[in-house]
Amino acid sequence: GAVVSQHPSRVICKSGTSVKIECRSLDFQATTMFWYRQFPKQSLMLMATSNEGSKATYEQGVEKDKFLINHASLTLSTLTVTSAHPEDSSFYICSARDPASGRGYEQYFGPGTRLTVT
Amino acid sequence: GEDVEQSLFLSVREGDSSVINCTYTDSSSTYLYWYKQEPGAGLQLLTYIFSNMDMKQDQRLTVLLNKKDKHLSLRIADTQTGDSAIYFCAPFSSGSARQLTFGSGTQLTVLP
Repeated sequence: GAVVSQHPSRVICKSGTSVKIECRSLDFQATTMFWYRQFPKQSLMLMATSNEGSKATYEQGVEKDKFLINHASLTLSTLTVTSAHPEDSSFYICSARDPASGRGYEQYFGPGTRLTVT
Repeated sequence: GEDVEQSLFLSVREGDSSVINCTYTDSSSTYLYWYKQEPGAGLQLLTYIFSNMDMKQDQRLTVLLNKKDKHLSLRIADTQTGDSAIYFCAPFSSGSARQLTFGSGTQLTVLP
């Protein structure tokens, strides 16, 4: 099946620094990837849709200058949290679509990245 | 936009059946997915149903869809302790949004 990885799985950073999270599709090419944020005991909140070779589409209320998304290749999308603050601490999950699967609407999720800003 | 509602908690005894319910609002939802999330992990795609189907069975999992009432359910037969997790209902809207919308998730606890 389609496998999506994320790196790192956990990261702790100091307030004011930036941190980059990578999302990779391991065995398929993903033209579209998604970034979600999940607070404890809550549902997933879509932050942005990332399309290979073009600018990401951000959901309403998500600061595009704070959450930088780059989808430079068909297997890699990155999310950079710039000037992180404690309120950015969360579980970030990426997902990808496999357009060659014949069920192009399905999304395969990475294992998530736990970000803690101190 | 689409609204998806699920009950927050469900407890069952090991060996019993679990039924997790979901209601949604967007009638243009074409694919309806169920995902499982274990603590500290990402989401695992469990199963899905097309909107032109009423039922789909996949081993211990049975999905029922009442399109008229916009009601979806996931039945897990012979529930095991390893089934304890959060289950998310996620309709895919083929309307202008063209994205998955997640319910709040149902925390399933399987008691020995």
